[in-house]
Amino acid sequence: SYVLTQPPSVSVAPRQTARISCGGNNIGSKSVRWYQQRPGQAPVLVVFDDSDRPSGIPERFSGSNAGNTATLTISRVEAGDEADYYCQVWDDSGDHRYVFGPGTKVTVL
Amino acid sequence: QITLKESGPMVMKPTQTLTLTCTFSGFSLTTSGVAVGWIRQPPGKALEWLAVIFWNGDERYAPSLKNRLTITKDTSKNQVVLTMTNMDLVDTATYFCSHSASGWPAAIFDSWGPGTLVSVSS
Repeated sequence: SYVLTQPPSVSVAPRQTARISCGGNNIGSKSVRWYQQRPGQAPVLVVFDDSDRPSGIPERFSGSNAGNTATLTISRVEAGDEADYYCQVWDDSGDHRYVFGPGTKVTVL
Repeated sequence: QITLKESGPMVMKPTQTLTLTCTFSGFSLTTSGVAVGWIRQPPGKALEWLAVIFWNGDERYAPSLKNRLTITKDTSKNQVVLTMTNMDLVDTATYFCSHSASGWPAAIFDSWGPGTLVSVSS
């Protein structure tokens, strides 16, 4: 089965840049989605197809994907960006399933 | 505007069968490319995908739970129902339903309901 890895936590000062990694075997060949989940709320899609943003998501959120690592980058971090972030892929091998990473807690210092 | 809302029991006992209903508006499950999925999250833990049903009737299930899950749709009521048999303490979680319009077979969950907490206790 396909496994995604993420760092448990990332800390960043306001107005700086946060980078969250998502590791997986040849993840560069898959389409990666990123979700933001604030405490007590439902997840919100912030990036899909590696680097596209849904309408309403600020340009400060960007994504990249190559090799064995996908990355979500949050530029000019704000206090409101403090949340858990999950990467997710669709595994089209074998069982055809949707796999989530373990999540990364972003703390704004 | 797309909205989804989950409903079902808040407390269950082990071995019981859980039935959750997702009632949605702002889209139709008869539209090509549309799907509704279920994802759960145990307290303090990560998201876990459970099942998805597409406009064309195709159903997909998480392999580890496939034997316990059934997903159905009622397009006339704009509802999707998830049943999970033989509930256990480890199934305590918040259950979310979500919308996708990205086509088949790779859904992108772009709108989510607020979730409903289901606690399993003896």
